[in-house]
Amino acid sequence: DAMVIQNPRYQVTQFGKPVTLSCSQTLNHNVMYWYQQKSSQAPKLLFHYYDKDFNNEADTPDNFQSRRPNTSFCFLDIRSPGLGDAAMYLCATSIDRWNNYEQYFGPGTRLTVT
Amino acid sequence: DAKTTQPNSMESNEEEPVHLPCNHSTISGTDYIHWYRQLPSQGPEYVIHGLTSNVNNRMASLAIAEDRKSSTLILHRATLRDAAVYYCILRDPGNSGGSNYKLTFGKGTLLTVNP
Repeated sequence: DAMVIQNPRYQVTQFGKPVTLSCSQTLNHNVMYWYQQKSSQAPKLLFHYYDKDFNNEADTPDNFQSRRPNTSFCFLDIRSPGLGDAAMYLCATSIDRWNNYEQYFGPGTRLTVT
Repeated sequence: DAKTTQPNSMESNEEEPVHLPCNHSTISGTDYIHWYRQLPSQGPEYVIHGLTSNVNNRMASLAIAEDRKSSTLILHRATLRDAAVYYCILRDPGNSGGSNYKLTFGKGTLLTVNP
């Protein structure tokens, strides 16, 4: 089945130690999104790629970066994780940004910062 | 962005219908009403969307009020697997700029299904 895969499902990192979360998709979708979901809160968009075009949300901290080396893969880099960055990170894909195309979400990576 | 209002939580019994309400009194003429749900420890999944007419798919039905200021997601026979947070989201599908490209999640409704 075509799907969105996130690895690892659980990640533990130390305060200030860079960490990278991975997302891959077999849907061949143009758009890939990264959402942050803190405990008991709704998902919040950090940024997205439309093909190779990176689009950052205005309130996403500089500590968060992303790379998309090809259509299938997208990475979320947290340069210096703080305790407040502990959250579920959700990757999603979509055929296009417009026209009501649904977003397909991966299972998420739960990040713990110690 | 137009906002939605949903009850924090609802409870249902297995095999019974569930009606999940959503108020969106400031909806614009071009906003579609989307529903996603998030099962425990999973990413959100698309459920259904519509503009004016009622919509049906294999997962659910969407009933939209004539004035479009409210809508109801209907699960015809709730199962334990339907226990999730249900999000009602307004989205303009146009590419005219602004934040049309993204899903803006509210707090959603936590649905509990009793066996």
